[in-house]
Amino acid sequence: DVVMTQTPPSLSVAIGQSVSISCKSSQSLVYSDGKTYLHWLLQSSGRSPKRLIYQVSNLDSGVPDRFSGTGSQKDFTLKISRVEAKDLGVYYCAQTTHFPLTFGSGTKLEIK
Amino acid sequence: QVTLKESGPGILQPSHTLSLTCSFSGFSLSTYGMGVSWIRQPSGKGLEWLASIWWNGNTYNNPSLKSRLTVSKDTSNNQAFLKVTSVDTADTATYYCAHTRFGGIDYWGQGVMVTVSS
Repeated sequence: DVVMTQTPPSLSVAIGQSVSISCKSSQSLVYSDGKTYLHWLLQSSGRSPKRLIYQVSNLDSGVPDRFSGTGSQKDFTLKISRVEAKDLGVYYCAQTTHFPLTFGSGTKLEIK
Repeated sequence: QVTLKESGPGILQPSHTLSLTCSFSGFSLSTYGMGVSWIRQPSGKGLEWLASIWWNGNTYNNPSLKSRLTVSKDTSNNQAFLKVTSVDTADTATYYCAHTRFGGIDYWGQGVMVTVSS
């Protein structure tokens, strides 16, 4: 199975600051079609996960451009600029290149 | 607009079979490239992918659950199903179904809590 190592486990940030979350995979996430199926999800408290970014850097509809995703092969980063209170929750990376599909262990974002 | 909603027994006894239903709208499981995945999350813990079923009937299960999983679909009624046999307390979790395409999992249901207890 592809192991997704996500760091840090938690972050505490003031409103308006920027944060980055790292996700590293144990195997390359480049599929045979040349695309990289690495995604970022946010799970707000008591809610189901919501996808924010797909295929490394593509924002889902309605996701503000304060969110950005970068990376390649096995090393990926989610950056949140100008953090807002509504950004709090647990962020997960997920890979759908290889079966079984796997998720990172999550990064809990708290607001100072 | 894609929506999904899970339903299930709420509580069941160890060794029994868990049966879950995912009722969805906004897409058809007979359309090329469409799929439904099942994911679960124990309380306070992370996400575990269980299985996916595709428009053509192909299924993929997580080997970690060995042969305990069965996924199926009813295309006419826009439903997908998950069965988990021989449950024990470790299967206590919130179970989600989610719309799936070649590019990945996008829309998630609200989840259904399942407790395994005697």
